[in-house]
Amino acid sequence: DAKTTQPPSMDCAEGRAANLPCNHSTISGNEYVYWYRQIHSQGPQYIIHGLKNNETNEMASLIITEDRKSSTLILPHATLRDTAVYYCIVRGVQGGSEKLVFGKGTKLTVNP
Amino acid sequence: GAVVSQHPSRVICKSGTSVKIECRSLDFQATTMFWYRQFPKKSLMLMATSNEGSKATYEQGVEKDKFLINHASLTLSTLTVTSAHPEDSSFYICSAWDARPLSYGYTFGSGTRLTVV
Repeated sequence: DAKTTQPPSMDCAEGRAANLPCNHSTISGNEYVYWYRQIHSQGPQYIIHGLKNNETNEMASLIITEDRKSSTLILPHATLRDTAVYYCIVRGVQGGSEKLVFGKGTKLTVNP
Repeated sequence: GAVVSQHPSRVICKSGTSVKIECRSLDFQATTMFWYRQFPKKSLMLMATSNEGSKATYEQGVEKDKFLINHASLTLSTLTVTSAHPEDSSFYICSAWDARPLSYGYTFGSGTRLTVV
């Protein structure tokens, strides 16, 4: 079963920041938080991942709370092409055999 | 970056026939690949973990004799849906684990839309 809880849907205005929350209250100390997104009828696309510290890349920022029980994915300037289902996934560090288990995700709709 | 190619992107087959889907890691070697299926408006459901040179590990409830997985090389895993039925119609997606330093780990293919008629 997925170890994360996300709101089923969110809306955001184009050009504004999109903040997508994720709860992972049972996360273990050696588990990473991964974010992927899936645009309709395509394979999931990697966005970002982190363990304890906040992370930023060219796509997004990941803010992880100090107790690690929740995180927020931030898309700083959302565009229409960011409309997708966003998945927050917790994954251990046992190596490549550790599977990714997807929850239901958040459907983000970016409006003009 | 890591690239995973999945082929075919779409396939239509008749009931009772078998269909093979290929998943290739193009610029890295993948000792582990994963197969998922996704029904409309649903999330991805893991079917099995494919390990190069050994038998796949199937998730509970997934019929291993119906969904045959072969991972004969470090860059190719195949999923064969045997004796397909309309209820097997779904979106099948593979993922490959990239163990190279500085990689983020999991890269997904673009998916295969299977329609059984």
